[in-house]
Amino acid sequence: GEDVEQSLFLSVREGDSSVINCTYTDSSSTYLYWYKQEPGAGLQLLTYIFSNMDMKQDQRLTVLLNKKDKHLSLRIADTQTGDSAIYFCAESGGGNKLTFGTGTQLKVEL
Amino acid sequence: KAGVTQTPRYLIKTRGQQVTLSCSPISGHRSVSWYQQTPGQGLQFLFEYFSETQRNKGNFPGRFSGRQFSNSRSEMNVSTLELGDSALYLCASSPKPSEYGYTFGSGTRLTVV
Repeated sequence: GEDVEQSLFLSVREGDSSVINCTYTDSSSTYLYWYKQEPGAGLQLLTYIFSNMDMKQDQRLTVLLNKKDKHLSLRIADTQTGDSAIYFCAESGGGNKLTFGTGTQLKVEL
Repeated sequence: KAGVTQTPRYLIKTRGQQVTLSCSPISGHRSVSWYQQTPGQGLQFLFEYFSETQRNKGNFPGRFSGRQFSNSRSEMNVSTLELGDSALYLCASSPKPSEYGYTFGSGTRLTVV
């Protein structure tokens, strides 16, 4: 079955770049997503990448996809305190559902 | 454009009771999915509806059910509540199944006591 894994915590200093990593097992994934969740809130879609792409850049966000290794990463440039949140990667393969990773808690320190 | 609206935001129920949660998708979105989020299990898929039909169901007991109305609004029902059903229930909508960019609501926080 599908499985998506992420590291649990990441701490960075304000102004540095953050890189959040994710590995997945379902090779039939069509889209891969990054969602952000702030305390007490729902999930906010940050960006997504289609499975035939290697990279996607969207302002401060860069997504890299290594389909051979089934590895996805999200780079946040110039990380700010407002970026502190839990970040989830998710994949959608067959079955019209999203399979989420465990989430990475990003802490941005001054 | 209004986002995905979930009601109520918070709910406290007693073991054995039943509960109904509501989700209004973004206007024009016909696919609605439900997810359960708990600290222990993370985000787990419950079910998806499109055009009033359940298209996919996650690995949850039959106490969890849902439906979708002709205006695409969806409800999910949990009967005979257990303490372990305490969770944040999230609804997501998209124009159609597998369409990129599922948009999530803020969720309903259910506490079972």
